[in-house]
Formats: sequence, C-alpha cells, structure tokens
Amino acid sequence: QVQLVQSGAEVKKPGASVKISCKASGYTFTTYHVHWVRQTPGQGLEWMGIINPSGGGTRNTQKFQDRVSMTRDTSTSTVYMDLSNLRSEDTAVYYCARGIGSSGGWYSMDVWGQGTTVTVSS
Amino acid sequence: QSALTQPASVSGSPGQSITISCTGTNSDVGNYNFVSWHQQHPGKAPQLLIYDVSNRPSGVSNRFSGSKSGNTASLTISGLQAEDEADYYCSSYTRSNTLVFGGGTKLTVL
Repeated sequence: QVQLVQSGAEVKKPGASVKISCKASGYTFTTYHVHWVRQTPGQGLEWMGIINPSGGGTRNTQKFQDRVSMTRDTSTSTVYMDLSNLRSEDTAVYYCARGIGSSGGWYSMDVWGQGTTVTVSS
Repeated sequence: QSALTQPASVSGSPGQSITISCTGTNSDVGNYNFVSWHQQHPGKAPQLLIYDVSNRPSGVSNRFSGSKSGNTASLTISGLQAEDEADYYCSSYTRSNTLVFGGGTKLTVL
C-alpha cells in the first residue's frame, strides 16, 4: 500500500541542524510532489514547503527561506528535509505528505508520514 | 501569509449536522478552488477529508462535504458520530504559490 515512513525522533541543541528522511513506497516516487508540514506542541499545522521528486525543484515559505533545504534521492525513493540553525521554537512534530489534486495538482495531501518529533533544547 | 481563520471550537450532538468555516482572502481561498480539509485525532497524523473544495477521496464517508462562497470555505459533517470528535484543519493554495493552513477547529461531540 502507499505509505511514507519517516526517520526517528531527534534531540538537538540550539544552533544545530536536523535532517529528516521520508521514504515512499507503494507508488511511483517521481509522480507526486511531497510536502513538509510541522506542528508545534498544542498548536496547529504549518506548511513549510514542497519538493518535486521528478526534477528536484522546491518551494518553501518565506519564514523558512534561509533555513530549510529539501532534497530527494530517486534511487531510494526518499525525500529529505534539512532545517538549520535550530531554535527552541522549532520543537515540533514534522510530517511529510504526498501531494495530490485535480489535473495533476499538488495542492492537497492524501498520504501522511507518521511524523518525526524534533526537540530543540540546551 | 497569514493563517486562514477558523473557529476555535464547535460542538454538536450525535446525529446532528455541524459546519466549520474557513475564511481567507482573495489571495488564497477566494481566488482558487484548491481548498482542502483534514481531520486529526490526538497523537495521530492528519487525514484528508476533502480536496479541491468539494472532492472526497475514496474511502471518506459521504457524511463529509465541502463548499466555498467568496473568501470562505466550509466543511459540513452530517449525522455526527462520536468518532468525529477531532481537530479539523482547512488549507488553501495561495497567490504566492504556497499553501496556508487554518488555525484548526476542535469538534466536540456532546
């Protein structure tokens, strides 16, 4: 079945970087974009960005412009999200999700990873 | 990009219908038919209910329906059931070629 499996929980110190992986299976990896969404404790969902596994093109919000890097490895059907210069406010659950929409769009998410908890603490 | 506006909470009794609103601007909800709704139970990943305003993925109950008027999208849940108690989030494509979520609505089934 279609699934996205993310890497395990991370504990990082302020100023460090974290790299989260998201391995896709059950579908053609290059056919669907992959979103990254985070959820801070007790708060709502926040869209971070998206990667097109076919060409590697990315798009992210201005908020994360300088700190987020999204990459992919087509040989392993895995996308990665690297967040640098971590601060305590980055403590959150990070999700990857497959993008879908009518006419091949990517504006929604139909399959979500299980989430990766990142804790930033000195 | 500001978050879309949702009521913090709504409630209803089993069997009733409820509607959750999601208000944006003409830079997002009002200008594109790319509004989605997700349901999230505590400690779980979100699940897609509605995409492109009113489309339901296979496997999602027809008790869930979506619509849009102007800058406001709506999710209606009919025949409310205990398992519908969860958080609900809308999202929309934006003029900046990004997505934005609503703040979320906690549904309580009385």
